[in-house]
Amino acid sequence: NAGVTQTPKFQVLKTGQSMTLQCAQDMNHNSMYWYRQDPGMGLRLIYYSASEGTTDKGEVPNGYNVSRLNKREFSLRLESAAPSQTSVYFCASTLLAGGADTQYFGPGTRLTVL
Amino acid sequence: TQLLEQSPQFLSIQEGENLTVYCNSSSVFSSLQWYRQEPGEGPVLLVTVVTGGEVKKLKRLTFQFGDARKDSSLHITAAQPGDTGLYLCAGHLGGATNKLIFGTGTLLAVQP
Repeated sequence: NAGVTQTPKFQVLKTGQSMTLQCAQDMNHNSMYWYRQDPGMGLRLIYYSASEGTTDKGEVPNGYNVSRLNKREFSLRLESAAPSQTSVYFCASTLLAGGADTQYFGPGTRLTVL
Repeated sequence: TQLLEQSPQFLSIQEGENLTVYCNSSSVFSSLQWYRQEPGEGPVLLVTVVTGGEVKKLKRLTFQFGDARKDSSLHITAAQPGDTGLYLCAGHLGGATNKLIFGTGTLLAVQP
């Protein structure tokens, strides 16, 4: 069991470039989440997918799009990267769609936008 | 809008000392979780507290949920270098989703 995996681990982009962050889980979890982590801000939810085929905005969705490709995979796309999107991005998953279930996190992607 | 404030933001102590981290909000949470994050890794769940006034112990770590379910504390007794990391509280507002509101984080360094 790999748990939650994320690719790439590190990425440097120029302003205006696009990229997709990949996330996959092998725990047969129903819900998946994308967060960004900035110093002094904790983790902020970008988008989440309560179940396969559904996605919803979180606290900071502007500038991002997501795709729940299947039950295992949830990708985050930056269409036109901006320096304000420099951050560490974490994907997480939970077995249950509701209630305070344990969130299992991936190792993160460190993104720098120049 | 940040709903969960943690204090202190940074804490550097010597091995063997005790410490308390606080997590405060003006919102009522249906439950609250504490996570620990080590450098280069994602957060890992330590505990979930659900009932107002609940106290849970995990070896040298004691977690308390406030009576009004608006705040929580984490107390570490006789801190060890292995306790070093970023501690995050996260509140669940209830409802049909698993969305969490994360606190601002407390970075703990325990010196040997």
